[in-house]
Amino acid sequence: KAGVTQTPRYLIKTRGQQVTLSCSPISGHRSVSWYQQTPGQGLQFLFEYFSETQRNKGNFPGRFSGRQFSNSRSEMNVSTLELGDSALYLCASSQQGSGAFFGQGTRLTVV
Amino acid sequence: TQLLEQSPQFLSIQEGENLTVYCNSSSVFSSLQWYRQEPGEGPVLLVTVVTGGEVKKLKRLTFQFGDARKDSSLHITAAQPGDTGLYLCAGVGTSYGKLTFGQGTILTVHP
Repeated sequence: KAGVTQTPRYLIKTRGQQVTLSCSPISGHRSVSWYQQTPGQGLQFLFEYFSETQRNKGNFPGRFSGRQFSNSRSEMNVSTLELGDSALYLCASSQQGSGAFFGQGTRLTVV
Repeated sequence: TQLLEQSPQFLSIQEGENLTVYCNSSSVFSSLQWYRQEPGEGPVLLVTVVTGGEVKKLKRLTFQFGDARKDSSLHITAAQPGDTGLYLCAGVGTSYGKLTFGQGTILTVHP
């Protein structure tokens, strides 16, 4: 069974730009969650999508958004990038009782 | 807001020593998970504990869930250099797709 795939692995963007990250979950998993990981704040929950609907949302500004497609693939978008958005963005797919399976993450650097 | 406090933040020990990592919260979680993360990778699930008082063993790793389901511990016996990594506890609340993470423990085992 293929694991969670995140693309791209690395990204460098300029302040003010926007970025879209992609996540393909494990086949059959309908829940996809996104997390931001930084040295200072650790792993913080961004949002969760289930069957194309946002089911949970963390405490992040509206510049952070996401969506899920009918095949469970998910994207997250960050608009008007700030230096503080530099982080490792992790996607996880899960199903009831399975625990979360994480991708390798996308390392975003904002300059 | 549910919070998880993990301690210690850093642990540097010699091969063969034992260690314990603690994860505490003022809130009750439906279950608690432990992950291990290596540099450049996403977290990998080690175990899920569900029942208060539950103890699970994974080779040299022993996981315990507190009776009140608010705290957990990870004990490693005879640590090896291969155990080096970031250990994270995560609480599962009402939705299995939303995890609340502790700050993490960076473990270094010296040969």
